[in-house]
Amino acid sequence: SSELTQDPAVSVALGQTVRITCQGDSLRSYYATWYQQKPGQAPVLVIYGKNNRPSGIPDRFSGSSSGNTASLTITGAQAEDEADYYCNSRDSSGDRLVFGGGTKLTVL
Amino acid sequence: QVQLQESGPGLVKPSQTLSLTCTVSGGSISSGGYYWSWIRQHPGKGLEWIGSIYYSGSTYYNPSLKSRVTISVDTSKNQFSLKLSSVTAADTAEYYCARGNIGYCSGGRCYSDDFDIWGQGTMVTVSS
Repeated sequence: SSELTQDPAVSVALGQTVRITCQGDSLRSYYATWYQQKPGQAPVLVIYGKNNRPSGIPDRFSGSSSGNTASLTITGAQAEDEADYYCNSRDSSGDRLVFGGGTKLTVL
Repeated sequence: QVQLQESGPGLVKPSQTLSLTCTVSGGSISSGGYYWSWIRQHPGKGLEWIGSIYYSGSTYYNPSLKSRVTISVDTSKNQFSLKLSSVTAADTAEYYCARGNIGYCSGGRCYSDDFDIWGQGTMVTVSS
């Protein structure tokens, strides 16, 4: 079982805002990292650190954190944002990297 | 730009050792303070970190796989490799290599590791 918990599926209307959450005890200490994975493709880093986007990632993607919950927010979701999203952090001991189970985002 | 490419057998027999290599192009595996990692994804499932290595040879393994995993680096070939011993059908997965930035703690808060460049992945099936 994953130490990071994500909702299995979330949907959003085109152009609307969606928040994808990730819960875990280690997130009280660690900022989560977020990845986007489209079918048949490798994951792509979208958010790292407190709220940083790699070059090429649209500014509609943002990250935040509160207590034991990390959130990835997509403001004005586009059709191309339909994908699986995974959060990632160290576990509470700091010795192991763990991923959340993933959230399948559907853009309606 | 830096690119990663996995290579190795797509089919491994049960109880044998799975061996994969990741070739780094467009940059040196010895530069930049990055660390080099293996991550796998079971069919239709989520991601699982296997382990990581610095160019110096320091390794970090997932405790759940540590007894079966060896990751090594060959700086002369700009490659790093994964060996997973005593495989079973449960090791059937897509295997990715990735470049990572190690996490750190500062000012009372910690920043998790991140993997900024990934290979395309290679599917490995364990079957007789």
